[in-house]
Amino acid sequence: DQQVKQNSPSLSVQEGRISILNCDYTNSMFDYFLWYKKYPAEGPTFLISISSIKDKNEDGRFTVFLNKSAKHLSLHIVPSQPGDSAVYFCAASASDGTYKYIFGTGTRLKVLA
Amino acid sequence: DVKVTQSSRYLVKRTGEKVFLECVQDMDHENMFWYRQDPGLGLRLIYFSYDVKMKEKGDIPEGYSVSREKKERFSLILESASTNQTSMYLCASSHASGVRSSYEQYFGPGTRLTVT
Repeated sequence: DQQVKQNSPSLSVQEGRISILNCDYTNSMFDYFLWYKKYPAEGPTFLISISSIKDKNEDGRFTVFLNKSAKHLSLHIVPSQPGDSAVYFCAASASDGTYKYIFGTGTRLKVLA
Repeated sequence: DVKVTQSSRYLVKRTGEKVFLECVQDMDHENMFWYRQDPGLGLRLIYFSYDVKMKEKGDIPEGYSVSREKKERFSLILESASTNQTSMYLCASSHASGVRSSYEQYFGPGTRLTVT
């Protein structure tokens, strides 16, 4: 039972345009969300996070939007750069004291020069 | 800078062998995690640990065990390796106190294990 879903396994975007990566979750107890970026042969690195008390968080070219009623979050990258080509994972956690994150299946982003 | 290191980047083992994957973190993190990453399945949690000698099963613990004798070190053990354990194994660590943002997990580079 996949509690965090990324329904697009891959996405191609032209350099300079916007990349939008989507993530859906089913557990209403999730209240903290993160995006990680992973290059081949490297571990995932933290990109941006959002708490459920907010609906938007911005960090440079990266913005995460949270729609709690739809149980949906998205990551926007503007403008997209070739170095952004990687696999992106969304992750969710609940305030249950376990410190666990549930990860999605990932979306492979390819930014075309 | 947080650093999480894993003992091997690539490992090839035979079916039935006992396999040890080691992970060390240098940021005095309380929590440590072992995941495996497989195409189309994302990152799945195998085991995690909140403290020395403490361990909790994750979503897919079957066929694995763990050991945490020191705070900075978390080992994943495959008692009898099988071909379906061929995967990328990722170790992570995080704090267990403070604001929620401090619970961010820091990952090691991964170990690509092939069982033949």
